[in-house]
Formats: sequence, C-alpha cells, structure tokens
Amino acid sequence: NAGVTQTPKFQVLKTGQSMTLQCAQDMNHEYMSWYRQDPGMGLRLIHYSVGAGITDQGEVPNGYNVSRSTTEDFPLRLLSAAPSQTSVYFCASSQDPQINQPQHFGDGTRLSIL
Amino acid sequence: GQNIDQPTEMTATEGAIVQINCTYQTSGFNGLFWYQQHAGEAPTFLSYNVLDGLEEKGRFSSFLSRSKGYSYLLLKELQMKDSASYLCAVLDSNYQLIWGAGTKLIIKP
Repeated sequence: NAGVTQTPKFQVLKTGQSMTLQCAQDMNHEYMSWYRQDPGMGLRLIHYSVGAGITDQGEVPNGYNVSRSTTEDFPLRLLSAAPSQTSVYFCASSQDPQINQPQHFGDGTRLSIL
Repeated sequence: GQNIDQPTEMTATEGAIVQINCTYQTSGFNGLFWYQQHAGEAPTFLSYNVLDGLEEKGRFSSFLSRSKGYSYLLLKELQMKDSASYLCAVLDSNYQLIWGAGTKLIIKP
C-alpha cells in the first residue's frame, strides 16, 4: 500500500544546478499537487494538475516546472536552483479537490540549496 | 487577501483537553480541513467540516461557524503521541486549499 511516493528524501544542490523531484501515486487519483513548506508559513501551492496532460500554476510557481504525462507521475523540476528554494517539498494527491476528499501526502523531500 | 490565523504554539498536559482555534478570511468557502503533522513527517487528514456545527471522531472533534469564519479542533484525553503540529486549511471558491501556518502542540506529562 504505497500511496504517494516521493524521491529523493534529501538533496543538497549548488546554486544554479537543476534537478527533478519525483512523485508517484498508486491510488488512481486525478488531482496531484506540489507544495513547499517553510518555517512559520503555511503550505504553499507551487503547481497542480487535475489530470494527465493538464497542469496549472499555484501560488508560488516561479522557478519550477511540472508535467503530467501519466495519471501516476507528477515530477517537479527546479530549473536553476536558488537559495530561496531551500525548503521541504511535499507532493499530494486526492480523488477530487471539489468535494470533501482529503489530500494524501508523500513523505517529503528536504532540499538545501547552497 | 486570503488569510488563515492559528496560534503558533500551545502547551497542554497529558490527559487534559485542548482547543486549537482557526479563523479565516477567504474568497469563498467550500469546506475546512484539519490535518496533523508530526515533526519531520507528512501531514495526515483529521477532519472536514462544510456545515456549521460539531463533528466528532473519537478523541478528536472539529467545530465550524461559517458566519464567524471560525473553526476549532478539540482534542480530549491527550496522549503524548498527540504532540504534533495541527494545520487548518480552507477550500476557497476556486477549490484551492489555503493553509494556515499550523499550531505546534506540546504535551507535558
């Protein structure tokens, strides 16, 4: 019963490097999203997807790209890492955000940009 | 702008009762969620309210007043494992979740 799987769990990057955070879910959920969580702040939505082939920007999309080629996978790409992107990143999925379906979260990726 | 307010930190004693408040100002309302997040872990779903009133789930209850933009999470018979952060989130008119910063609950023996 995997749920939402994120890799890697930890990553250290140098400023300017690029990388992809992986997210996969096995619950056949249509809705997937990426959040970042910073101390003293609520979860902030980066990008989301309501189904394969459809993505949209959230509150803080700059510096990040996403794609949704399959229902299961929703990778997040950092184009050119900056220290301001040091954060904990959570991927989440749900059956339908328009009804009372809770978000299922992955275990998070702790990312440090030096 | 949209805003959700929760106390930053609360302390309570094992076996006691604690109430964590959440007030919100959002563009529209389609429901309010409470999540629990242990340190270093992912948030997990606790409750959902969309109508006014109290929803009870074992030791946890959640209350909503839409007219006051107010909710609370009530935890009874506190256990040490309840030490965690509690996140309030509102589903706005665009069905986007707006998150509070969370309340860190410390349980003392």
